[in-house]
Amino acid sequence: QSVLTQPPSVSAAPGQKVTISCSGSNSNIGNNYVSWYQHLPGAAPKLLIYENNRRPSGTPARFSGSKSDTSATLAITGLQTGDEADYYCGTWDSSLSGSVLGTGTKVTVL
Amino acid sequence: QVQLVQSGAEVKKPGASVKVSCKASGYTFTGFHMHWVRQAPGQGLEWMGRITPNSGATNYAQKFQGRVTLTRDTSISTTYMDLTRLTSDDTAVYYCAREGSFDDYTDWGQGTLVTVSS
Repeated sequence: QSVLTQPPSVSAAPGQKVTISCSGSNSNIGNNYVSWYQHLPGAAPKLLIYENNRRPSGTPARFSGSKSDTSATLAITGLQTGDEADYYCGTWDSSLSGSVLGTGTKVTVL
Repeated sequence: QVQLVQSGAEVKKPGASVKVSCKASGYTFTGFHMHWVRQAPGQGLEWMGRITPNSGATNYAQKFQGRVTLTRDTSISTTYMDLTRLTSDDTAVYYCAREGSFDDYTDWGQGTLVTVSS
């Protein structure tokens, strides 16, 4: 059971916006940077967002991250069929002295 | 460019051990932590542990303490994940992932399928 909680699924029509929440605690999100990963079936996960809201080169500006207190959010605007994937948040947990990954959210484009 | 190339698929019997390798290239091997993450069928990503290649220091998820060992060979820029006392619950795809700066996994290996079956 992960210490980072995400909704199991979110969905929207093409062109619309979805947000994915990641809820944690002071020992993880509250005091450490959050990353987001996109995981397509049959492929290795890919870093989408790092240090809460920074995009690696190659991540479209449609993807954005934010953090407030012990929660983080990934927003995807202009939803495309290619965005259908599982998304995970991740961070360091100071109490566990280890990394933690969220429960994962499946994005469906209707 | 950064590349992480993992060893091939494994089939093991319950109670056995497995050792998966991850060969790095395209960057200074000793400069970045290496993490191991797995995904069991129908399950989410699960962090197993990390190694600091420079010192060999390790951190493990509590769930795997006593069963997993991460090592490295700096002469060939390779890290290893050794998992013992395998059960069917350990059937999963295992990934190595290079950490960037603050616990973000910037580069991933292609994954290694480990199947545990009698």
